[in-house]
Amino acid sequence: DQQVKQNSPSLSVQEGRISILNCDYTNSMFDYFLWYKKYPAEGPTFLISISSIKDKNEDGRFTVFLNKSAKHLSLHIVPSQPGDSAVYFCAASWGGSQGNLIFGKGTKLSVKP
Amino acid sequence: DVKVTQSSRYLVKRTGEKVFLECVQDMDHENMFWYRQDPGLGLRLIYFSYDVKMKEKGDIPEGYSVSREKKERFSLILESASTNQTSMYLCASGTDGSYNSPLHFGNGTRLTVT
Repeated sequence: DQQVKQNSPSLSVQEGRISILNCDYTNSMFDYFLWYKKYPAEGPTFLISISSIKDKNEDGRFTVFLNKSAKHLSLHIVPSQPGDSAVYFCAASWGGSQGNLIFGKGTKLSVKP
Repeated sequence: DVKVTQSSRYLVKRTGEKVFLECVQDMDHENMFWYRQDPGLGLRLIYFSYDVKMKEKGDIPEGYSVSREKKERFSLILESASTNQTSMYLCASGTDGSYNSPLHFGNGTRLTVT
């Protein structure tokens, strides 16, 4: 039973355009959401997060949107760059405990020059 | 900058061998984690630890054990390696002291069991 779902295994985008990565969740207790980026042969690195009391958080080219009623969040990358090509993992937790962190299966983003 | 170091990038072991994967972090984090990453399955939590000598089972603990004798070191043990344990293993550390702070990952150990 997947509590965090990334339904698109892969996404291909042209350089300079917007990349939109989607994530759905089922557990209403989740109160914090994170996105991690992972390059091959490296560990995941933290990208951006959002608390359930907000609906948007922005950091440079990266924006995360949260729609609590739909239990849906998305990561927007504008403009996309070839260096953004990586696997992106959505993650969710509750109660402020890292032991409660649950990851999605990941979406592989390819940004073509 | 937080550094999480995994002792081996690549390991090849035979079925039935006892395997030790080592992880060290340098930020005095109380929490440490072991995940495995498999294609199409994402990151799955094997074990984690909130403190020295403490351990908690994650989602897929079967066939694994852990040891945390010192705060900075967290070891994953495969008691008798099997081919279905061929995977990328990722160690992470973090703290609950700063609410919702992110995990910091090592670069992973690619284990092949033949």
